[in-house]
Amino acid sequence: QKEVEQNSGPLSVPEGAIASLNCTYSDRGSQSFFWYRQYSGKSPELIMFIYSNGDKEDGRFTAQLNKASQYVSLLIRDSQPSDSATYLCAVKSDSGAGSYQLTFGKGTKLSVIP
Amino acid sequence: DGGITQSPKYLFRKEGQNVTLSCEQNLNHDAMYWYRQDPGQGLRLIYYSQIVNDFQKGDIAEGYSVSREKKESFPLTVTSAQKNPTAFYLCASRDLAGVGNEQFFGPGTRLTVL
Repeated sequence: QKEVEQNSGPLSVPEGAIASLNCTYSDRGSQSFFWYRQYSGKSPELIMFIYSNGDKEDGRFTAQLNKASQYVSLLIRDSQPSDSATYLCAVKSDSGAGSYQLTFGKGTKLSVIP
Repeated sequence: DGGITQSPKYLFRKEGQNVTLSCEQNLNHDAMYWYRQDPGQGLRLIYYSQIVNDFQKGDIAEGYSVSREKKESFPLTVTSAQKNPTAFYLCASRDLAGVGNEQFFGPGTRLTVL
């Protein structure tokens, strides 16, 4: 059973601070990792994906991947109240015959306090 | 506008009834997916399809059925055999030729069994 674990939170940070969201996964063969943001009552929207060990930056967002430790994180710099949402970590694993599945964590709820 | 549409947004069903949720995309994506989300839970895969007239079961297919007669359409039927169907249902699609392999989500259908 492939598992993706996230701290459910809530994680509260003051406006302007760095928010750090963490995710661990059980399938060592996982290849790709995705972070989605989900506002209450809405569908998930993709923030970033990462394949390679190290950091990947996109604006205020940085994804970090450490395959040896089976750990992926998302840093949000200069957090804004509009960043308040649930962040879902998703891990891609092959299902064979060229198909794949995403396994989602339960999400971490982030609250940015003005 | 390109995107994924789901209808209806809210759906109420009596116990013992079958209901069909619509998902349409005009992104020319080959792959389509159905997920279920329960409060405080991650997304769980119900069914997916990578090509017209073909689909595979996900992790929780029991009590659900799908069809893929057209590339742009992937309707989900929730049958009376599904014991606890009240949930938020999300449809997603993916471009198999895309570099990122990311899935994009529709706005969702919230199903409530009365």
